[in-house]
Amino acid sequence: GENVEQHPSTLSVQEGDSAVIKCTYSDSASNYFPWYKQELGKRPQLIIDIRSNVGEKKDQRIAVTLNKTAKHFSLHITETQPEDSAVYFCAAIGGGADGLTFGKGTHLIIQP
Amino acid sequence: DAGITQSPRHKVTETGTPVTLRCHQTENHRYMYWYRQDPGHGLRLIHYSYGVKDTDKGEVSDGYSVSRSKTEDFLLTLESATSSQTSVYFCAISELASSYNEQFFGPGTRLTVL
Repeated sequence: GENVEQHPSTLSVQEGDSAVIKCTYSDSASNYFPWYKQELGKRPQLIIDIRSNVGEKKDQRIAVTLNKTAKHFSLHITETQPEDSAVYFCAAIGGGADGLTFGKGTHLIIQP
Repeated sequence: DAGITQSPRHKVTETGTPVTLRCHQTENHRYMYWYRQDPGHGLRLIHYSYGVKDTDKGEVSDGYSVSRSKTEDFLLTLESATSSQTSVYFCAISELASSYNEQFFGPGTRLTVL
């Protein structure tokens, strides 16, 4: 089955700086890679996703890049703000109807 | 948020008792999923459903069963709860097969097994 590794487990950045979270996956058949943001006590919320036929996708201050050859994908957040503080999860899935395989999460801390 | 509710939202039970968690959706989505979330493990798939009466096992299905008799409801049952099943349980839905369609999560159920 799929295995997703996520790094770092904790990331502390100064407000206004950029943050990068990296994930690797094992199954070359995986073709959909979402990122979720989870605030304390809340449900995971989809913030951006990318499919295997695209190398990069942007949405305002967030972007995701995908390198299929190396089997890794990354989340980039620019101009970080206090409300970006949360736990971020990457995930991957192949061509079937089964569920997502998640990384273990990155706790992003924005220092004022 | 997508029209997903979970009940109960919190439950405390004792080892050996049966527990059923309910996920209800108003989106008429075909696919439904149960995940558990534990510190240091992220979210892990328990079971999923790809239609009424069509279900399959996920990564951590031991000790759990599911049923889906209606499109809108997906039930997760712990036949005999154990302390290792203390966790936060999330239901998710998606309109199409997950490889090409977003999954949206419910608010979660916090289960404590004493």
